[in-house]
Amino acid sequence: DTAVSQTPKYLVTQMGNDKSIKCEQNLGHDTMYWYKQDSKKFLKIMFSYNNKELIINETVPNRFSPKSPDKAHLNLHINSLELGDSAVYFCASSPPGQGVDNEQFFGPGTRLTVL
Amino acid sequence: KNQVEQSPQSLIILEGKNCTLQCNYTVSPFSNLRWYKQDTGRGPVSLTIMTFSENTKSNGRYTATLDADTKQSSLHITASQLSDSASYICVVIKVSYSGAGSYQLTFGKGTKLSVIP
Repeated sequence: DTAVSQTPKYLVTQMGNDKSIKCEQNLGHDTMYWYKQDSKKFLKIMFSYNNKELIINETVPNRFSPKSPDKAHLNLHINSLELGDSAVYFCASSPPGQGVDNEQFFGPGTRLTVL
Repeated sequence: KNQVEQSPQSLIILEGKNCTLQCNYTVSPFSNLRWYKQDTGRGPVSLTIMTFSENTKSNGRYTATLDADTKQSSLHITASQLSDSASYICVVIKVSYSGAGSYQLTFGKGTKLSVIP
């Protein structure tokens, strides 16, 4: 199936741990994104990569570090997890062209719970 | 302060009825405005994308309108179905300069629609 996939779907961890969320898209898209959706369902963009190059880096703690080994993957690594990091994290991608001007396709989300 | 405001926050309608969701924004200038549908526990799915020069765009039973002068958009759902129950999110894209460089996405907080039999 062509899609944006994320692993894991659920992640429960202790405060202070380091964790990673993986994202892969097989749609041939050039641009990938990470979003955070908080408990109030408010979506906020965190990062955007175009062809492995960072093009958006919103104000997020530097404990969050995106890594793009190739244009089909954009992983999110989080150091020293805090309670406030609990949220659903969505990966998305968009076709070649004008980046965010194009339609974005979202993954199913990863629900992160920090205890 | 969020620059994209959606109303109502939540809405309950009977199956088969029509409804209209509102989105007011102050983001300027903008590249395009989008409506997304997000089912519970799923990622958002794009319904419509409109540039500033477009007034209306349809996608099946969904019709979005845009008034760039008043900075208002609406999403009209016709003959609602139970599967329309979801959150509907309005997103405004602001381009700082041309190209795939600097741009901002501003999300509304969404309208939670419940369609009941």
